[in-house]
Amino acid sequence: QVQLQESGPGLLKPSETLSLACSVSGFSFRSGYFWAWIRQSPGKGLEWIGSVYHGGITYYKTSLKTRVNISMDKSTTQFFLKLDSVTAADTAVYFCARGESGSTFDVWGQGAPVTVSS
Amino acid sequence: DIEMTQSPSTLSASVGDSVNVTCRASRYVSVWVAWYQQKSEKAPQLLISKASTLQSGVPSRFGGSGSGTDFTLTISSLQPDDFATYYCQYYMSDSHIFGQGTKLEIK
Repeated sequence: QVQLQESGPGLLKPSETLSLACSVSGFSFRSGYFWAWIRQSPGKGLEWIGSVYHGGITYYKTSLKTRVNISMDKSTTQFFLKLDSVTAADTAVYFCARGESGSTFDVWGQGAPVTVSS
Repeated sequence: DIEMTQSPSTLSASVGDSVNVTCRASRYVSVWVAWYQQKSEKAPQLLISKASTLQSGVPSRFGGSGSGTDFTLTISSLQPDDFATYYCQYYMSDSHIFGQGTKLEIK
């Protein structure tokens, strides 16, 4: 059974870098699948942040592109999110998810709440 | 960027009712639309992909239709467990855009 689990600091100060990891169990990284980060601000809808594919190709939401980096470590079946220069607007629950090429997010982590506050 | 606009934002219905949630894309998206159910800001569950393909394990009272720019999620014979928030999503390798959500409430 595929499971995803987010981990990382839950509280950041403005201007710091948000760093989260997603640990994948029950599945190995292979072609045909991609890995993504999605967030949800309190009381708001879902926002895709970006995705990384098996070959390392990444895609990011246009408005976040200058601040975000997603990477993966196939040896540990983890993938990572870094978001620079955070502000209060980046306060959200951050979800990691698996997608199948040609389809979309079929397995999600439980979510990691992140608060940005001075 | 493509925008996905859902309607209504809130929908009140009773157990046993059938309901429709609509999603309109700001431009042509073929059939690359999915529908998710989310409860209390927990992880969303994928219900339907490619506009009408029901995911394994999802009850058959859920159905999806549409292509091009207009899409519909239909839930027939509502069950108590169905009261939740529903999101449509356009998906492509380099872009994933969610609608703003439709909250389905018990009347």
